[in-house]
Amino acid sequence: GAVVSQHPSRVICKSGTSVKIECRSLDFQATTMFWYRQFPKQSLMLMATSNEGSKATYEQGVEKDKFLINHASLTLSTLTVTSAHPEDSSFYICSAQGSWATNEKLFFGSGTQLSVL
Amino acid sequence: AQKITQTQPGMFVQEKEAVTLDCTYDTSDQSYGLFWYKQPSSGEMIFLIYQGSYDEQNATEGRYSLNFQKARKSANLVISASQLGDSAMYFCAMREREEYGNKLVFGAGTILRVKS
Repeated sequence: GAVVSQHPSRVICKSGTSVKIECRSLDFQATTMFWYRQFPKQSLMLMATSNEGSKATYEQGVEKDKFLINHASLTLSTLTVTSAHPEDSSFYICSAQGSWATNEKLFFGSGTQLSVL
Repeated sequence: AQKITQTQPGMFVQEKEAVTLDCTYDTSDQSYGLFWYKQPSSGEMIFLIYQGSYDEQNATEGRYSLNFQKARKSANLVISASQLGDSAMYFCAMREREEYGNKLVFGAGTILRVKS
């Protein structure tokens, strides 16, 4: 089945630094990738939709300058948390969509636990 | 407005018994899709089952079945013969307009604990 790889799985950084998270579709071309954020024991909240070759679409309330998303190729999208602060500590998870025919099975990466000290 | 409602924050089930996790949804679209995902403590999201709004038969995938009641706007997940490894968080999600792709809206989740 389709595989989505997300790295790193865990990152600890100092306040004020930037962190980049990668999401790769390993065996299919992902025209669209989605980035979610999840707080402990809570639901997944969509942050943004990333389309290859175009600017990401951010959900209401998500700071686009804080969470930079780049989808430069059909297999890679990156989320950069800029000038991270402790309140940015969270679980970030991506998902990837290929063709419409595969829309029944949206595959997720394994997530990244970000801890900002 | 909340579009996916999971009213059970937590559930317990005895090993080998069946359990139903509730999910109701709200949409005015005629074409939509409903998903169930399992999230173990490791954090990964594991796809379990999908039901399209036009599917006449309830979806089944091994021990998982989806009790789709369109008029009631409910899409309950039934897990048969529960196993200890089924202990996890379970999310119901909905995809609305197809032009949004697989932009999913998730419910709050239900924590399932299987007892031996």
